[in-house]
Amino acid sequence: EVQLVESGGGLVQPGRSLRLSCTTSGFTFGDYAMSWVRQAPGKGLELVGFIRSKAYGGSTHYAASVKGRFSISRDDSKSVAYLQMNSLKAEDTAVYYCVRVEWLRYLFDSWGQGTLVTVSS
Amino acid sequence: QSVLTQPPSVSGAPGQRVTISCTGSSSNIGAGYDVHWYQQLPGTVPKLLIYGNNNRPSGVPDRFSGSKSGTSASLAITGLQAEDEADYYCQSYDSSLSGPVFGGGTKLTVL
Repeated sequence: EVQLVESGGGLVQPGRSLRLSCTTSGFTFGDYAMSWVRQAPGKGLELVGFIRSKAYGGSTHYAASVKGRFSISRDDSKSVAYLQMNSLKAEDTAVYYCVRVEWLRYLFDSWGQGTLVTVSS
Repeated sequence: QSVLTQPPSVSGAPGQRVTISCTGSSSNIGAGYDVHWYQQLPGTVPKLLIYGNNNRPSGVPDRFSGSKSGTSASLAITGLQAEDEADYYCQSYDSSLSGPVFGGGTKLTVL
Protein backbone atom coordinates (compact mmCIF):
# COMPACT_ATOMS: atom_id res chain seq x y z
CA GLU A 1 0.00 0.00 0.00
CA VAL A 2 1.32 3.43 -0.97
CA GLN A 3 1.74 5.70 2.05
CA LEU A 4 2.92 9.28 2.35
CA VAL A 5 3.17 10.83 5.79
CA GLU A 6 3.98 14.50 6.27
CA SER A 7 5.54 15.85 9.44
CA GLY A 8 7.07 19.06 10.69
CA GLY A 9 4.12 21.42 10.51
CA GLY A 10 3.11 23.78 13.27
CA LEU A 11 2.97 27.38 14.37
CA VAL A 12 5.86 29.59 13.29
CA GLN A 13 6.51 33.32 13.44
CA PRO A 14 6.77 35.41 10.27
CA GLY A 15 10.28 35.49 8.90
CA ARG A 16 11.26 32.18 10.48
CA SER A 17 11.97 28.84 8.83
CA LEU A 18 10.37 25.41 8.92
CA ARG A 19 11.20 22.09 7.29
CA LEU A 20 8.54 19.59 6.33
CA SER A 21 9.29 15.93 5.75
CA CYS A 22 7.37 13.39 3.70
CA THR A 23 8.13 9.82 4.65
CA THR A 24 6.95 7.31 2.09
CA SER A 25 6.52 3.57 1.74
CA GLY A 26 4.88 1.03 -0.50
CA PHE A 27 6.49 2.06 -3.79
CA THR A 28 9.89 2.60 -5.40
CA PHE A 29 10.45 6.18 -4.29
CA GLY A 30 13.28 6.86 -6.71
CA ASP A 31 11.06 6.18 -9.72
CA TYR A 32 8.70 9.08 -9.00
CA ALA A 33 8.68 12.83 -8.96
CA MET A 34 7.51 14.26 -5.66
CA SER A 35 5.61 17.45 -5.11
CA TRP A 36 4.21 19.68 -2.42
CA VAL A 37 0.73 21.11 -2.87
CA ARG A 38 -0.78 23.53 -0.39
CA GLN A 39 -4.28 24.64 0.44
CA ALA A 40 -4.89 27.83 2.36
CA PRO A 41 -7.97 27.86 4.61
CA GLY A 42 -11.08 27.90 2.44
CA LYS A 43 -9.05 28.13 -0.76
CA GLY A 44 -8.12 25.90 -3.67
CA LEU A 45 -5.07 23.79 -4.39
CA GLU A 46 -1.77 25.48 -5.19
CA LEU A 47 1.27 23.61 -6.45
CA VAL A 48 4.19 24.76 -4.32
CA GLY A 49 6.80 22.87 -6.30
CA PHE A 50 8.14 19.52 -7.31
CA ILE A 51 11.34 17.57 -7.70
CA ARG A 52 11.83 15.19 -10.57
CA SER A 53 13.29 11.74 -10.17
CA LYS A 54 16.98 11.18 -10.79
CA ALA A 55 16.05 9.59 -14.12
CA TYR A 56 14.73 13.00 -15.19
CA GLY A 57 17.63 14.90 -13.75
CA GLY A 58 16.32 15.47 -10.23
CA SER A 59 15.58 19.10 -11.09
CA THR A 60 13.17 21.26 -9.15
CA HIS A 61 10.46 23.75 -10.05
CA TYR A 62 8.71 26.25 -7.81
CA ALA A 63 5.64 28.42 -7.90
CA ALA A 64 6.38 32.10 -8.33
CA SER A 65 4.91 32.77 -4.89
CA VAL A 66 7.59 30.74 -3.11
CA LYS A 67 10.55 30.87 -5.49
CA GLY A 68 13.70 31.91 -3.69
CA ARG A 69 12.22 31.14 -0.26
CA PHE A 70 11.27 27.46 -0.48
CA SER A 71 13.33 24.51 -1.63
CA ILE A 72 12.51 20.86 -2.21
CA SER A 73 14.95 18.01 -1.83
CA ARG A 74 14.82 14.25 -1.71
CA ASP A 75 16.73 11.38 -0.14
CA ASP A 76 16.09 8.33 -2.27
CA SER A 77 17.98 6.10 0.16
CA LYS A 78 15.44 6.96 2.86
CA SER A 79 12.38 7.41 0.59
CA VAL A 80 11.84 10.87 2.02
CA ALA A 81 11.08 14.22 0.42
CA TYR A 82 11.61 17.56 2.12
CA LEU A 83 10.24 21.06 1.86
CA GLN A 84 12.46 23.72 3.36
CA MET A 85 10.51 26.92 3.93
CA ASN A 86 12.41 30.12 4.73
CA SER A 87 11.29 33.71 5.29
CA LEU A 88 7.77 32.54 6.00
CA LYS A 89 4.88 34.93 5.53
CA ALA A 90 1.33 34.94 6.87
CA GLU A 91 0.09 34.05 3.40
CA ASP A 92 2.03 30.77 3.56
CA THR A 93 -0.47 29.54 6.15
CA ALA A 94 -1.97 26.40 4.68
CA VAL A 95 -2.24 22.65 4.81
CA TYR A 96 0.75 21.25 2.96
CA TYR A 97 0.26 17.98 1.11
CA CYS A 98 3.05 15.73 -0.09
CA VAL A 99 1.99 14.18 -3.38
CA ARG A 100 3.52 11.51 -5.56
CA VAL A 101 3.66 12.46 -9.23
CA GLU A 102 3.64 10.08 -12.16
CA TRP A 103 5.82 12.24 -14.36
CA LEU A 104 4.97 10.81 -17.78
CA ARG A 105 1.40 12.06 -17.42
CA TYR A 106 2.03 14.76 -14.78
CA LEU A 107 -0.46 12.91 -12.60
CA PHE A 108 -0.78 13.52 -8.87
CA ASP A 109 -1.77 10.00 -8.00
CA SER A 110 -1.18 9.57 -4.28
CA TRP A 111 -1.64 12.18 -1.57
CA GLY A 112 -0.50 12.37 2.03
CA GLN A 113 -2.84 13.45 4.81
CA GLY A 114 -1.32 16.92 4.96
CA THR A 115 0.30 18.95 7.69
CA LEU A 116 -0.87 22.38 8.82
CA VAL A 117 1.56 25.27 8.79
CA THR A 118 0.40 28.42 10.55
CA VAL A 119 2.49 31.56 10.19
CA SER A 120 1.56 34.05 12.86
CA SER A 121 3.13 36.18 15.54
CA GLN B 1 -5.96 33.71 -11.18
CA SER B 2 -5.59 30.06 -12.18
CA VAL B 3 -4.26 29.05 -15.58
CA LEU B 4 -7.14 26.60 -15.82
CA THR B 5 -10.55 28.23 -15.34
CA GLN B 6 -13.39 26.44 -13.58
CA PRO B 7 -16.78 27.77 -12.50
CA PRO B 8 -16.71 28.52 -8.75
CA SER B 9 -19.87 26.51 -8.15
CA VAL B 10 -22.41 24.22 -9.75
CA SER B 11 -25.47 22.54 -8.32
CA GLY B 12 -27.98 19.87 -9.16
CA ALA B 13 -30.74 17.80 -7.67
CA PRO B 14 -30.31 14.13 -6.79
CA GLY B 15 -30.47 11.97 -9.89
CA GLN B 16 -29.62 14.79 -12.25
CA ARG B 17 -26.58 15.21 -14.48
CA VAL B 18 -24.11 18.02 -13.93
CA THR B 19 -20.99 19.05 -15.79
CA ILE B 20 -17.98 21.01 -14.62
CA SER B 21 -15.90 22.79 -17.23
CA CYS B 22 -12.17 23.40 -17.22
CA THR B 23 -10.97 25.97 -19.72
CA GLY B 24 -7.32 26.25 -20.61
CA SER B 25 -5.24 27.50 -23.51
CA SER B 26 -2.85 26.45 -26.26
CA SER B 27 -0.03 26.00 -23.75
CA ASN B 28 -1.81 23.40 -21.65
CA ILE B 29 -4.99 21.54 -22.61
CA GLY B 30 -4.83 22.76 -26.19
CA ALA B 31 -1.25 21.54 -26.50
CA GLY B 32 -2.44 18.00 -25.97
CA TYR B 33 -1.51 17.51 -22.33
CA ASP B 34 -3.71 15.18 -20.34
CA VAL B 35 -6.35 16.54 -18.00
CA HIS B 36 -6.90 14.93 -14.62
CA TRP B 37 -9.67 15.51 -12.10
CA TYR B 38 -9.57 15.35 -8.32
CA GLN B 39 -12.40 15.17 -5.82
CA GLN B 40 -12.09 16.66 -2.35
CA LEU B 41 -14.91 15.68 -0.04
CA PRO B 42 -15.49 18.07 2.89
CA GLY B 43 -12.65 17.86 5.39
CA THR B 44 -10.71 15.25 3.47
CA VAL B 45 -7.65 14.89 1.27
CA PRO B 46 -8.02 15.35 -2.49
CA LYS B 47 -8.44 12.09 -4.34
CA LEU B 48 -7.75 11.23 -7.96
CA LEU B 49 -11.09 10.89 -9.73
CA ILE B 50 -10.32 10.88 -13.47
CA TYR B 51 -6.93 10.53 -15.13
CA GLY B 52 -5.78 10.85 -18.70
CA ASN B 53 -8.87 12.85 -19.72
CA ASN B 54 -11.39 10.05 -19.39
CA ASN B 55 -10.08 7.14 -17.30
CA ARG B 56 -11.36 6.15 -13.87
CA PRO B 57 -9.14 4.64 -11.19
CA SER B 58 -10.50 1.44 -9.73
CA GLY B 59 -13.26 2.12 -7.24
CA VAL B 60 -14.57 5.28 -8.91
CA PRO B 61 -18.18 4.79 -10.02
CA ASP B 62 -18.93 4.99 -13.73
CA ARG B 63 -21.28 7.88 -12.95
CA PHE B 64 -18.14 10.00 -13.26
CA SER B 65 -16.71 10.63 -16.71
CA GLY B 66 -14.31 13.05 -18.34
CA SER B 67 -13.88 14.49 -21.78
CA LYS B 68 -11.56 16.88 -23.55
CA SER B 69 -11.90 18.96 -26.69
CA GLY B 70 -9.67 21.72 -27.97
CA THR B 71 -8.58 23.90 -25.09
CA SER B 72 -11.24 22.68 -22.66
CA ALA B 73 -12.18 19.65 -20.65
CA SER B 74 -15.28 18.61 -18.74
CA LEU B 75 -16.22 16.39 -15.86
CA ALA B 76 -19.70 14.91 -15.99
CA ILE B 77 -21.52 13.35 -13.08
CA THR B 78 -24.72 11.46 -13.78
CA GLY B 79 -27.25 10.15 -11.28
CA LEU B 80 -26.15 12.79 -8.80
CA GLN B 81 -26.01 11.62 -5.18
CA ALA B 82 -25.73 13.51 -1.91
CA GLU B 83 -22.27 12.05 -1.30
CA ASP B 84 -21.00 13.69 -4.50
CA GLU B 85 -21.11 17.05 -2.77
CA ALA B 86 -17.47 18.11 -2.84
CA ASP B 87 -14.89 20.37 -4.44
CA TYR B 88 -13.61 19.28 -7.83
CA TYR B 89 -10.30 20.33 -9.38
CA CYS B 90 -8.96 19.88 -12.89
CA GLN B 91 -5.22 19.67 -13.50
CA SER B 92 -2.96 19.59 -16.52
CA TYR B 93 0.56 20.59 -17.57
CA ASP B 94 1.48 23.99 -18.91
CA SER B 95 4.43 24.33 -21.25
CA SER B 96 4.76 28.08 -20.69
CA LEU B 97 5.09 27.56 -16.94
CA SER B 98 7.06 24.33 -17.40
CA GLY B 99 5.02 22.57 -14.78
CA PRO B 100 1.68 21.09 -13.74
CA VAL B 101 -1.19 23.48 -13.04
CA PHE B 102 -4.47 23.20 -11.16
CA GLY B 103 -7.80 24.79 -11.85
CA GLY B 104 -9.31 27.03 -9.20
CA GLY B 105 -11.79 24.38 -8.12
CA THR B 106 -15.57 24.00 -8.36
CA LYS B 107 -17.87 23.44 -5.43
CA LEU B 108 -20.65 21.01 -6.26
CA THR B 109 -23.80 21.37 -4.19
CA VAL B 110 -26.44 18.65 -4.27
CA LEU B 111 -29.77 20.36 -3.69
